Amino acid sequence: ETGVTQTPRHLVMGMTNKKSLKCEQHLGHNAMYWYKQSAKKPLELMFVYSLEERVENNSVPSRFSPECPNSSHLFLHLHTLQPEDSALYLCASSQQGRVHTEAFFGQGTRLTVV
Amino acid sequence: KQEVTQIPAALSVPEGENLVLNCSFTDSAIYNLQWFRQDPGKGLTSLLLIQSSQREQTSGRLNASLDKSSGRSTLYIAASQPGDSATYLCAVLRTQGGSEKLVFGKGTKLTVNP
Repeated sequence: ETGVTQTPRHLVMGMTNKKSLKCEQHLGHNAMYWYKQSAKKPLELMFVYSLEERVENNSVPSRFSPECPNSSHLFLHLHTLQPEDSALYLCASSQQGRVHTEAFFGQGTRLTVV
Repeated sequence: KQEVTQIPAALSVPEGENLVLNCSFTDSAIYNLQWFRQDPGKGLTSLLLIQSSQREQTSGRLNASLDKSSGRSTLYIAASQPGDSATYLCAVLRTQGGSEKLVFGKGTKLTVNP
C-alpha cells in the first residue's frame, strides 16, 4: 500500500468514448501530479496541482482534462483519444514548499485506446 | 532544461553480485534526488531519497550517493537477488517553469539471474 490509489487499473476505450481516471492520496500532501509512461520513453509530466491549483500544464492536448476538487483527489477526464494515447498513466503526490518530501506513486492505469 | 541520463540502459548479472547503477543530471540546482523501482506494468516504488544537502542514504542492501556539483548519483545494490530484477529510475526534483517537478531518466532494466 503506497498511500496513493488509482482506479481503474486497466481501461480499454474507443476513440469516441469519454472516461475518467481517478487518483486518491491519504498522505496529507499538498501537491498531486499526472504522468504518462509510454514504451521506451522517460516518464512525461502532464499536470501538476499545488494546493488544488493547476500550476503546470505541460503542453498536453485538450482531449486530456484534469480536475482537482480537493487536496486528496485528482481526476483525469479523457475524451476523443487517439491510439497513440495508449500508455500507463501514473498519479503521484508529494509535499511542496519549505520541506520537500518523497514523491509517492500509485500503481497506474493501463489505458488502451482502440 | 534539466536532463537526466541513466547508464546502462540494461544490466544482467548473476545472483550474489554487487552492482552499481549510474544517474547523471545536467543542472545542479535540485532540491533532492530520488531512486525508484518499477516492476513490469506497475507503478513506482520509492527506494531512497537524498536531499540536496546530503551525500548518501542507505536502506538495507541499497546505498545511494549524490555528488551535486558534478551532477551524479549512484545506486549501489549489495548481494543482488533475483527479486531485485526490475527497472530502476532516477529522478531529480527542481523548480522549472514556475512549479516544482520531478524529472526522470529512462531507467536501467536490471535482471538478476539465479
